[in-house]
Amino acid sequence: DAKTTQPPSMDCAEGRAANLPCNHSTISGNEYVYWYRQIHSQGPQYIIHGLKNNETNEMASLIITEDRKSSTLILPHATLRDTAVYYCIVQAGGYNKLIFGAGTRLAVHP
Amino acid sequence: DAGITQSPRHKVTETGTPVTLRCHQTENHRYMYWYRQDPGHGLRLIHYSYGVKDTDKGEVSDGYSVSRSKTEDFLLTLESATSSQTSVYFCAISNPTGGYNEQFFGPGTRLTVL
Repeated sequence: DAKTTQPPSMDCAEGRAANLPCNHSTISGNEYVYWYRQIHSQGPQYIIHGLKNNETNEMASLIITEDRKSSTLILPHATLRDTAVYYCIVQAGGYNKLIFGAGTRLAVHP
Repeated sequence: DAGITQSPRHKVTETGTPVTLRCHQTENHRYMYWYRQDPGHGLRLIHYSYGVKDTDKGEVSDGYSVSRSKTEDFLLTLESATSSQTSVYFCAISNPTGGYNEQFFGPGTRLTVL
């Protein structure tokens, strides 16, 4: 599975968009990009995933570059409840483990 | 939220005692997983199951065993608990389709081994 690189921490003002970057320069053609988050001491929560195209759901948008070597998770209107650790994971279309790195600790402030 | 419960939610035990953690799902998902989370290590896979009685090891399986006799239950057993197994344990479930595999996590069990 390809490795990912994320900034260790980011800040965002409440109500503004939070843009969380992820580099995955060694991603293979069959690997998906997943985003999860973990709010303090809770279980990780699935946010979104994509393969090639940009994706949007009720929680967030995922922008994947054309060469697929990087992606950005966008929370369009961050709230205090979005304060969490965000994990970017790339994984082939297999059925087993997710490799969680250190993630990005996002702090949303008033 | 996916119907996943873990029991117990908190447990304190002594070194050398056996411990069993239970994960129960109501989603009828095929795959179930056990992870542990420690400071500085993120989440690491212990064991997973891809069907009733079908299990496989993850990256940190030593000292742990699992069993899955029913679709809805996945048990994690520490035969003889050690202090290094003090951790937060998360169960997850998934039903892979279309080549991708999103996992849904339970609330976690905090285990302390004295």
